[in-house]
This record gives sequence, C-alpha cells and structure tokens, in this order.
Amino acid sequence: DSGVTQTPKHLITATGQRVTLRCSPRSGDLSVYWYQQSLDQGLQFLIQYYNGEERAKGNILERFSAQQFPDLHSELNLSSLELGDSALYFCASSVYDSTDTQYFGPGTRLTVL
Amino acid sequence: GENVEQHPSTLSVQEGDSAVIKCTYSDSASNYFPWYKQELGKGPQLIIDIRSNVGEKKDQRIAVTLNKTAKHFSLHITETQPEDSAVYFCAATQDNNNDMRFGAGTRLTVKP
Repeated sequence: DSGVTQTPKHLITATGQRVTLRCSPRSGDLSVYWYQQSLDQGLQFLIQYYNGEERAKGNILERFSAQQFPDLHSELNLSSLELGDSALYFCASSVYDSTDTQYFGPGTRLTVL
Repeated sequence: GENVEQHPSTLSVQEGDSAVIKCTYSDSASNYFPWYKQELGKGPQLIIDIRSNVGEKKDQRIAVTLNKTAKHFSLHITETQPEDSAVYFCAATQDNNNDMRFGAGTRLTVKP
C-alpha cells in the first residue's frame, strides 16, 4: 500500500459526458501528479500540483483540468469525453518535485462507451 | 523534450536466472532515473532509483547502473523468482522539470 488513495476504482460513462477523479496523497506529500496509461501511449504525465498551485503541465488536453485543494487532495476533471479517453488514470504524490520518490495510487479505470 | 526508450518489450527467463532491462534517454540534463514495477491491476511501484552522481546502486537482488556518457541505464535482477513477473518501467526526469518521461515498459515473465 503506497498511501495514495484514488476513487473511484472503475468508471463507465458515455461519450460527451464529464467525470471527476479524486486523489488523496500520502501524508506529508505536497505534490500531486496525474498520469494517463493507455495501451498505445504508455504512461504519460498530464499535470502536477504543488501545495495547491499548478507546477507543471504535460500532455494534458484542454478538455481536461485539475485542481488541488487546501487539504492537498486533488481532482482531475475530464469533459466532453471521447472513446479515446478510455484509459487508466493514476495519481502519484511526492514530497516536493519529480526528483523525489513518487508513490502511485491504485488508479481509476475509465471506460468511455 | 526528453525521450526514453526501453528494451526489450518482453523478456522471459527461467527461475533463478538473471534479467536485464535497458533504457536510453536523450536529454543530458536528466539526473534522476527511477524504475517501477507494475503488477496486474495495480499502480506502478518504485523498486529502485539512481541519481546522476552515482554509477551503480544495489538493493538485495536488484541493481541499477547508469552510464551518463552513453545516456543509458539498466536494471539487473538476479536470482529471479516467479513473483518478479510484472511489467517494469524505466523513467527519467530532472530538477525543476516535473515532466517525468517513461519507457514503454518490459513485460518480464519468470518461469518456475
């Protein structure tokens, strides 16, 4: 158990819909990272928040957004969903930045029908 | 940006043999190289990491080597066991750049 929690574990929805994925980091970690894992793209970095502020952006679509709240939990919002958004979404946390050990959560499997 | 290539994509070994997975990176500024193990239905789990000021690091049956000049790093697993079967990912990142890039993964199968 990494100490990072993610909900829900599974999510099935239809094209055009909007969903919210939730992540709670390990106690003491200030940074939260979101990753997308698909069969054809592998593990891709989406976005990082540090202590409530956006710190870095990767290959995140404009339809996707995230935020980190004062209690340090984070949410990833995916809107206008397309079939190609079906993937595993992982949250990870670390103390400060990406050169600190990142601990991954169990992931949310999103299926868009 | 950084590009990480990982080989082989699949690796099958007999229990007790050694397994080696290799990665190359493109950005000479990268200075942190973690390795993750991902079991079916789970998130990636860090198994070992190395920083650019070190050439080799070992933790029991697992070791990682780094060649900064050639820009490649390798994972070595000795005395493999069936529970080592999983997908292994290498990654590279650097200070003040939080876009960690992952290799495509190696599916390791250890046959009893």
